[in-house]
Amino acid sequence: QVQLQESGPGLVKPSQTLSLTCTVSGGSISSGGYYWSWIRQHPGKGLEWIGYIYYSGSTYYNPSLKSRVTISVDTSKNQFSLKLSSVTAADTAVYYCAREEQNHDAFDIWGQGTMVTVSS
Amino acid sequence: EIVLTQSPATLSLSPGERATLSCRASQSVSSYLAWYQQKPGQAPRLLIYDASNRATGIPARFSGSGSGTDFTLTISSLEPEDFAVYYCQQRSNWPIFTFGPGTKVDIK
Repeated sequence: QVQLQESGPGLVKPSQTLSLTCTVSGGSISSGGYYWSWIRQHPGKGLEWIGYIYYSGSTYYNPSLKSRVTISVDTSKNQFSLKLSSVTAADTAVYYCAREEQNHDAFDIWGQGTMVTVSS
Repeated sequence: EIVLTQSPATLSLSPGERATLSCRASQSVSSYLAWYQQKPGQAPRLLIYDASNRATGIPARFSGSGSGTDFTLTISSLEPEDFAVYYCQQRSNWPIFTFGPGTKVDIK
């Protein structure tokens, strides 16, 4: 079955860019029918949707983060990526990648999550 | 922005009891409401989508109901593995998703 796995640095310095990659296994991003999202969870807090990408490259971002977020897709590697610029301590969180099936309006498959700490 | 409110914040129950969790939206989300379960150190797990549809592999003791602004997740008889945090999520103004603050179901 489809599995997602996040990867990337666990520590990022303030003002730098956070970069994470989600590798999809057991299925192809290019097959269509799904949106691929990034979601984060601040320590001990709730969940915040960051944005999504479709295999075609179309994106949509949470307006609260839009100015700092870029999500891209590499169909040849079956991966999609997150870049969050100008990070501060408030960006410290567990970052999840997740899949949304079209017309289901919910995230049915999640990666295990990766903790990113912003600190000098 | 549509805000989701969940109640109660904590629900203390015993195994075998019925759990009733509430999610209220600040404006109508139609039936575009999902429920997730999250255990410590794990990713959320989809339980219910579109207010009342169980996700693949979810036991029948989990059920969802409601539409518009008021929604309920019911666990008919709590199993030991059901003690966790539960989040609701809406996508009424797709593609923007928002989540509720969560309800913790703990052992009484």
